[in-house]
Amino acid sequence: EAQVTQNPRYLITVTGKKLTVTCSQNMNHEYMSWYRQDPGLGLRQIYYSMNVEVTDKGDVPEGYKVSRKEKRNFPLILESPSPNQTSLYFCASSLTAGGYGYTFGSGTRLTVV
Amino acid sequence: AQSVTQLGSHVSVSEGALVLLRCNYSSSVPPYLFWYVQYPNQGLQLLLKYTSAATLVKGINGFEAEFKKSETSFHLTKPSAHMSDAAEYFCAVSEAEAGGTSYGKLTFGQGTILTVHP
Repeated sequence: EAQVTQNPRYLITVTGKKLTVTCSQNMNHEYMSWYRQDPGLGLRQIYYSMNVEVTDKGDVPEGYKVSRKEKRNFPLILESPSPNQTSLYFCASSLTAGGYGYTFGSGTRLTVV
Repeated sequence: AQSVTQLGSHVSVSEGALVLLRCNYSSSVPPYLFWYVQYPNQGLQLLLKYTSAATLVKGINGFEAEFKKSETSFHLTKPSAHMSDAAEYFCAVSEAEAGGTSYGKLTFGQGTILTVHP
């Protein structure tokens, strides 16, 4: 089944403890992206990747890192999480940039205390 | 730069009534436009998309949207609401020209929660 898989689905952590949210797609998509969803703000892009080893900042990159060493994987790293990073995170992928639309993962609900 | 405005954060309709969710966009280049639906505790699912072919786009679950360039709008409609349509709906825009600063980036509106009453 074609899909984007995120793990974990739920995560509660403490301020300052490094964490990684994994994202993997099995559709050979070039374009991958991370979004965070907050009530009343819709989805905002954190980082995106046009292809392997090509990543760039989105609208809200502060406090996050990403890497794209393989085409299928695009992990999101929070080096020192803070409470304002409590949010619902989505990974998404698309065949290429442009009009294909994204396939979204099921989301990761992160709480930082 | 691109942006999306969804008019109305909450829309309530009766079962069987017309559904109309409004979306206006801003884009400095020709856009691609999308509607996504999000059911509780789930990811986003693509409903339909406009990619410069027909201006009236039909999607899944009986939804359709019309691209109106003169009004910079892409409103979502369904003739008869069903209880299962209750969800949050997001309109999104991306640039249709490679090389632009936002090429490939989907910019979302704030979302509209649709409630369907029996």
